[in-house]
Amino acid sequence: GENVEQHPSTLSVQEGDSAVIKCTYSDSASNYFPWYKQELGKGPQLIIDIRSNVGEKKDQRIAVTLNKTAKHFSLHITETQPEDSAVYFCAARGDSSYKLIFGSGTRLLVRP
Amino acid sequence: GAVVSQHPSWVICKSGTSVKIECRSLDFQATTMFWYRQFPKQSLMLMATSNEGSKATYEQGVEKDKFLINHASLTLSTLTVTSAHPEDSSFYICSARSYGPDSYNEQFFGPGTRLTVL
Repeated sequence: GENVEQHPSTLSVQEGDSAVIKCTYSDSASNYFPWYKQELGKGPQLIIDIRSNVGEKKDQRIAVTLNKTAKHFSLHITETQPEDSAVYFCAARGDSSYKLIFGSGTRLLVRP
Repeated sequence: GAVVSQHPSWVICKSGTSVKIECRSLDFQATTMFWYRQFPKQSLMLMATSNEGSKATYEQGVEKDKFLINHASLTLSTLTVTSAHPEDSSFYICSARSYGPDSYNEQFFGPGTRLTVL
């Protein structure tokens, strides 16, 4: 089955700097890759997603890149702000599968 | 994005009692809903998948007689933790999957329910 690995587990950046979180997946049939932000005591919130027919997607300060050949995808946050501090999860899913397989999460701290 | 609600947001119960958690998709119909469990500082663990009008599919290691799931309508799924014990204390999160011609089948999560069993 699918396995998703996520790095780093913790990331501390200065406000205004960029943050990059990387994930790798094992199942080449996976074709949908969402990213979720989870604040303390709350449910995960979908912040951006990408399908395998595109290599990059951007939404304001957030971007996701996908390398199908290497089977890895990354989340890029530019001009980080303290309110970006949260736990971020990547996930992967194939068309034939109804399950989202999650990475282990990255705790991002943006220092003011 | 679509909105998923959960009720209650937190519950404290005595060992041996049962607790029901509701999950609702507020502005879309969800043929499929998912129930997750999350321990502190850990990732989400899928417990079961429920499809409207049919029996839930449980993940390996999840006791179906302990975690009863009902998906009676396209907007409501319930999880009942029967005969709860302290080890069942956790953060339970539901999720609903959207469908449609303009949808990429995104999955939206509820705010979670914190269960504490004394």
